[in-house]
Amino acid sequence: EPEVTQTPSHQVTQMGQEVILRCVPISNHLYFYWYRQILGQKVEFLVSFYNNEISEKSEIFDDQFSVERPDGSNFTLKIRSTKLEDSAMYFCASSEALGGVDGAFFGQGTRLTVV
Amino acid sequence: AQSVTQLGSHVSVSEGALVLLRCNYSSSVPPYLFWYVQYPNQGLQLLLKYTSAATLVKGINGFEAEFKKSETSFHLTKPSAHMSDAAEYFCAVTLSGSARQLTFGSGTQLTVLP
Repeated sequence: EPEVTQTPSHQVTQMGQEVILRCVPISNHLYFYWYRQILGQKVEFLVSFYNNEISEKSEIFDDQFSVERPDGSNFTLKIRSTKLEDSAMYFCASSEALGGVDGAFFGQGTRLTVV
Repeated sequence: AQSVTQLGSHVSVSEGALVLLRCNYSSSVPPYLFWYVQYPNQGLQLLLKYTSAATLVKGINGFEAEFKKSETSFHLTKPSAHMSDAAEYFCAVTLSGSARQLTFGSGTQLTVLP
């Protein structure tokens, strides 16, 4: 069964450092997303990406964040200068092409710990 | 704007008992609704979805949910709980015409007692 894969599963970084979280979406999907879940809180939408550009982004997704699809398979989230409050589980998701709402398929997540 | 409210952050049931997890939505246009399950230290797995076809939706692992427009509800049920159902359950909503952004509820932690 196709799945979304994320690497690494856990990353520890020092405050102020840059991190890149990586995702390989399901191959025939065209919509890609990043969500995050701070411990004990709701899953929050960060950004959606379609046709090589950002479709929507939330207030959380400020200038410290960026996304990229560097090749035909990877989808990355970069945090330029991490803060303690960026510590969270980050989920990548993807969904099928135009024509229907099928829900999004999520990866296992990357637990980011900023120290 | 859309939102979902999950009543009860923690629900405990005995093994074999009925599971009922509540979700109410708010949406200015017809919504698409989903239930996701998150097992400990794992990602979000899609349980089932409502996309304006049948109002009673069957999902994986014996779960089902009924869309009730008059009550703006999409409650999740399972006739007989199993120990392996212990997890956190999230209701989510999105709107047609958007970039498929999902808005999640705060989650309900289901405990199954032996």
